[in-house]
Amino acid sequence: AQSVSQHNHHVILSEAASLELGCNYSYGGTVNLFWYVQYPGQHLQLLLKYFSGDPLVKGIKGFEAEFIKSKFSFNLRKPSVQWSDTAEYFCAVIPGDYKLSFGAGTTVTVRA
Amino acid sequence: DAGVIQSPRHEVTEMGQEVTLRCKPISGHNSLFWYRQTMMRGLELLIYFNNNVPIDDSGMPEDRFSAKMPNASFSTLKIQPSEPRDSAVYFCASSLEAGASYEQYFGPGTRLTVT
Repeated sequence: AQSVSQHNHHVILSEAASLELGCNYSYGGTVNLFWYVQYPGQHLQLLLKYFSGDPLVKGIKGFEAEFIKSKFSFNLRKPSVQWSDTAEYFCAVIPGDYKLSFGAGTTVTVRA
Repeated sequence: DAGVIQSPRHEVTEMGQEVTLRCKPISGHNSLFWYRQTMMRGLELLIYFNNNVPIDDSGMPEDRFSAKMPNASFSTLKIQPSEPRDSAVYFCASSLEAGASYEQYFGPGTRLTVT
Protein backbone atom coordinates (compact mmCIF):
# COMPACT_ATOMS: atom_id res chain seq x y z
CA ALA A 1 0.00 0.00 0.00
CA GLN A 2 1.11 3.53 -0.68
CA SER A 3 2.26 5.24 2.48
CA VAL A 4 4.40 7.74 4.31
CA SER A 5 6.89 6.31 6.79
CA GLN A 6 8.61 8.15 9.58
CA HIS A 7 11.43 6.12 10.98
CA ASN A 8 11.51 7.35 14.54
CA HIS A 9 8.59 7.32 16.91
CA HIS A 10 10.29 9.27 19.69
CA VAL A 11 13.56 11.17 19.69
CA ILE A 12 15.13 12.59 22.84
CA LEU A 13 18.06 14.95 22.63
CA SER A 14 19.76 17.77 24.45
CA GLU A 15 19.72 21.42 23.55
CA ALA A 16 22.24 22.38 20.85
CA ALA A 17 22.28 18.85 19.47
CA SER A 18 21.58 18.31 15.80
CA LEU A 19 18.30 16.78 14.71
CA GLU A 20 17.44 14.68 11.70
CA LEU A 21 14.07 13.05 11.21
CA GLY A 22 13.61 10.54 8.45
CA CYS A 23 10.67 10.39 6.08
CA ASN A 24 10.12 8.03 3.18
CA TYR A 25 7.13 7.72 0.90
CA SER A 26 6.06 5.03 -1.49
CA TYR A 27 4.10 7.03 -4.05
CA GLY A 28 5.34 7.09 -7.61
CA GLY A 29 5.22 10.06 -9.93
CA THR A 30 5.07 13.69 -8.92
CA VAL A 31 4.62 14.39 -5.24
CA ASN A 32 4.44 17.49 -3.10
CA LEU A 33 6.08 17.14 0.28
CA PHE A 34 5.52 18.83 3.60
CA TRP A 35 6.70 18.86 7.17
CA TYR A 36 4.23 19.98 9.80
CA VAL A 37 4.88 20.60 13.48
CA GLN A 38 2.43 20.30 16.35
CA TYR A 39 3.54 21.94 19.59
CA PRO A 40 1.96 20.62 22.78
CA GLY A 41 -1.70 21.56 22.86
CA GLN A 42 -1.55 23.45 19.58
CA HIS A 43 -2.64 22.85 16.03
CA LEU A 44 -0.59 21.74 13.08
CA GLN A 45 1.68 24.37 11.57
CA LEU A 46 3.58 24.15 8.33
CA LEU A 47 7.37 24.05 8.77
CA LEU A 48 8.32 23.79 5.13
CA LYS A 49 7.21 22.41 1.80
CA TYR A 50 8.66 21.16 -1.45
CA PHE A 51 6.89 21.40 -4.77
CA SER A 52 9.72 21.66 -7.29
CA GLY A 53 13.11 23.25 -7.87
CA ASP A 54 15.97 23.20 -5.38
CA PRO A 55 15.66 19.94 -3.44
CA LEU A 56 17.08 21.58 -0.33
CA VAL A 57 14.23 23.49 1.23
CA LYS A 58 14.55 25.95 4.06
CA GLY A 59 11.66 26.49 6.41
CA ILE A 60 10.82 28.43 9.51
CA LYS A 61 12.67 28.28 12.82
CA GLY A 62 15.92 27.11 11.28
CA PHE A 63 14.57 23.86 9.86
CA GLU A 64 15.47 22.50 6.45
CA ALA A 65 14.67 19.38 4.50
CA GLU A 66 16.22 17.63 1.55
CA PHE A 67 14.23 15.88 -1.14
CA ILE A 68 16.09 12.93 -2.60
CA LYS A 69 13.95 11.59 -5.40
CA SER A 70 15.98 8.42 -5.93
CA LYS A 71 15.50 7.47 -2.31
CA PHE A 72 11.88 8.62 -2.04
CA SER A 73 12.97 10.56 1.01
CA PHE A 74 12.34 13.97 2.51
CA ASN A 75 14.34 14.16 5.72
CA LEU A 76 14.03 17.07 8.13
CA ARG A 77 17.07 18.62 9.77
CA LYS A 78 18.00 21.28 12.25
CA PRO A 79 21.67 21.88 13.16
CA SER A 80 21.06 22.98 16.75
CA VAL A 81 17.79 22.37 18.55
CA GLN A 82 16.28 24.39 21.35
CA TRP A 83 14.01 23.38 24.18
CA SER A 84 11.17 25.13 22.33
CA ASP A 85 11.49 22.61 19.48
CA THR A 86 9.86 20.00 21.68
CA ALA A 87 6.88 18.96 19.58
CA GLU A 88 5.49 16.30 17.30
CA TYR A 89 6.65 16.42 13.71
CA PHE A 90 4.66 15.06 10.79
CA CYS A 91 5.84 14.36 7.29
CA ALA A 92 3.08 14.59 4.70
CA VAL A 93 2.76 13.91 1.01
CA ILE A 94 0.26 14.95 -1.63
CA PRO A 95 0.65 12.39 -4.41
CA GLY A 96 -0.74 14.29 -7.33
CA ASP A 97 -4.04 15.77 -6.33
CA TYR A 98 -5.08 17.25 -3.01
CA LYS A 99 -5.18 14.46 -0.47
CA LEU A 100 -2.55 14.92 2.22
CA SER A 101 -1.23 11.62 3.50
CA PHE A 102 0.49 11.93 6.84
CA GLY A 103 3.17 9.85 8.45
CA ALA A 104 2.61 8.57 11.97
CA GLY A 105 4.59 11.44 13.46
CA THR A 106 7.79 11.69 15.48
CA THR A 107 7.73 13.08 18.99
CA VAL A 108 10.82 15.15 19.68
CA THR A 109 11.75 15.92 23.26
CA VAL A 110 14.55 18.43 23.81
CA ARG A 111 16.09 18.43 27.26
CA ALA A 112 17.48 21.68 28.61
CA ASP B 1 -6.12 37.00 9.37
CA ALA B 2 -7.85 34.95 12.06
CA GLY B 3 -6.91 31.63 10.57
CA VAL B 4 -9.17 28.61 10.56
CA ILE B 5 -11.59 28.74 13.47
CA GLN B 6 -13.04 25.65 15.08
CA SER B 7 -15.57 25.25 17.86
CA PRO B 8 -15.87 23.89 20.38
CA ARG B 9 -12.23 23.32 21.37
CA HIS B 10 -13.23 20.53 23.72
CA GLU B 11 -16.35 18.40 23.77
CA VAL B 12 -17.23 15.70 26.25
CA THR B 13 -20.39 13.75 25.58
CA GLU B 14 -22.03 10.48 26.42
CA MET B 15 -22.32 7.60 24.06
CA GLY B 16 -25.39 7.88 21.88
CA GLN B 17 -25.52 11.66 21.88
CA GLU B 18 -25.28 13.80 18.79
CA VAL B 19 -22.12 15.83 18.39
CA THR B 20 -21.67 18.76 16.03
CA LEU B 21 -18.26 20.22 15.30
CA ARG B 22 -17.97 23.55 13.54
CA CYS B 23 -15.41 25.14 11.27
CA LYS B 24 -14.93 28.54 9.71
CA PRO B 25 -12.29 28.45 6.96
CA ILE B 26 -10.00 31.30 6.08
CA SER B 27 -11.88 33.89 4.07
CA GLY B 28 -11.36 33.43 0.36
CA HIS B 29 -10.31 29.79 0.61
CA ASN B 30 -12.25 27.51 -1.70
CA SER B 31 -11.28 24.16 -0.26
CA LEU B 32 -12.05 22.73 3.15
CA PHE B 33 -10.90 19.50 4.74
CA TRP B 34 -11.90 17.59 7.85
CA TYR B 35 -9.27 15.36 9.48
CA ARG B 36 -9.31 13.07 12.48
CA GLN B 37 -6.27 12.40 14.65
CA THR B 38 -6.01 9.37 16.91
CA MET B 39 -3.12 7.58 18.52
CA MET B 40 -3.92 4.39 16.67
CA ARG B 41 -4.49 5.73 13.17
CA GLY B 42 -2.67 9.06 13.15
CA LEU B 43 -4.09 11.81 10.94
CA GLU B 44 -6.77 10.74 8.50
CA LEU B 45 -8.67 12.76 5.93
CA LEU B 46 -12.39 12.34 6.46
CA ILE B 47 -13.91 14.56 3.78
CA TYR B 48 -12.96 17.31 1.37
CA PHE B 49 -15.11 20.15 0.01
CA ASN B 50 -14.36 22.36 -2.96
CA ASN B 51 -16.55 25.40 -3.50
CA ASN B 52 -18.93 24.08 -0.81
CA VAL B 53 -19.43 20.78 -2.65
CA PRO B 54 -18.28 17.50 -1.10
CA ILE B 55 -15.73 16.05 -3.50
CA ASP B 56 -14.31 13.11 -1.61
CA ASP B 57 -15.96 11.54 1.43
CA SER B 58 -14.23 8.19 1.17
CA GLY B 59 -12.59 8.74 4.53
CA MET B 60 -15.83 9.13 6.45
CA PRO B 61 -15.90 6.13 8.79
CA GLU B 62 -19.56 5.21 8.54
CA ASP B 63 -23.06 6.53 8.20
CA ARG B 64 -23.00 7.97 11.69
CA PHE B 65 -20.72 10.68 10.33
CA SER B 66 -22.00 13.46 8.10
CA ALA B 67 -20.56 16.78 6.98
CA LYS B 68 -22.08 19.82 5.40
CA MET B 69 -20.88 23.10 4.00
CA PRO B 70 -23.91 25.33 3.52
CA ASN B 71 -21.79 28.32 2.50
CA ALA B 72 -18.21 29.32 1.88
CA SER B 73 -17.61 30.38 5.46
CA PHE B 74 -19.02 27.52 7.49
CA SER B 75 -18.87 23.77 7.72
CA THR B 76 -20.10 21.20 10.21
CA LEU B 77 -19.13 17.64 11.01
CA LYS B 78 -21.85 15.73 12.79
CA ILE B 79 -21.68 12.39 14.56
CA GLN B 80 -24.98 10.76 15.41
CA PRO B 81 -25.03 8.65 17.48
CA SER B 82 -21.58 9.09 18.98
CA GLU B 83 -19.53 6.14 20.26
CA PRO B 84 -16.46 5.95 22.52
CA ARG B 85 -14.28 4.98 19.54
CA ASP B 86 -15.06 8.37 18.00
CA SER B 87 -12.92 10.01 20.68
CA ALA B 88 -10.20 11.89 18.83
CA VAL B 89 -9.03 15.34 17.83
CA TYR B 90 -10.87 16.60 14.78
CA PHE B 91 -9.08 19.16 12.64
CA CYS B 92 -10.48 21.38 9.97
CA ALA B 93 -8.17 22.80 7.32
CA SER B 94 -8.65 25.12 4.38
CA SER B 95 -6.68 26.02 1.30
CA LEU B 96 -6.93 28.73 -1.30
CA GLU B 97 -7.69 26.32 -4.09
CA ALA B 98 -7.91 22.61 -4.61
CA GLY B 99 -4.74 20.96 -5.75
CA ALA B 100 -1.43 19.77 -4.48
CA SER B 101 0.34 23.11 -4.80
CA TYR B 102 -1.84 24.85 -2.29
CA GLU B 103 -0.92 24.80 1.37
CA GLN B 104 -3.54 23.59 3.80
CA TYR B 105 -3.97 25.73 6.91
CA PHE B 106 -5.14 23.87 9.97
CA GLY B 107 -7.43 25.00 12.74
CA PRO B 108 -6.75 24.38 16.43
CA GLY B 109 -8.84 21.23 16.48
CA THR B 110 -11.72 19.97 18.57
CA ARG B 111 -10.85 17.36 21.17
CA LEU B 112 -13.83 15.03 21.40
CA THR B 113 -14.26 12.61 24.27
CA VAL B 114 -17.17 10.19 24.14
CA THR B 115 -17.78 8.35 27.42
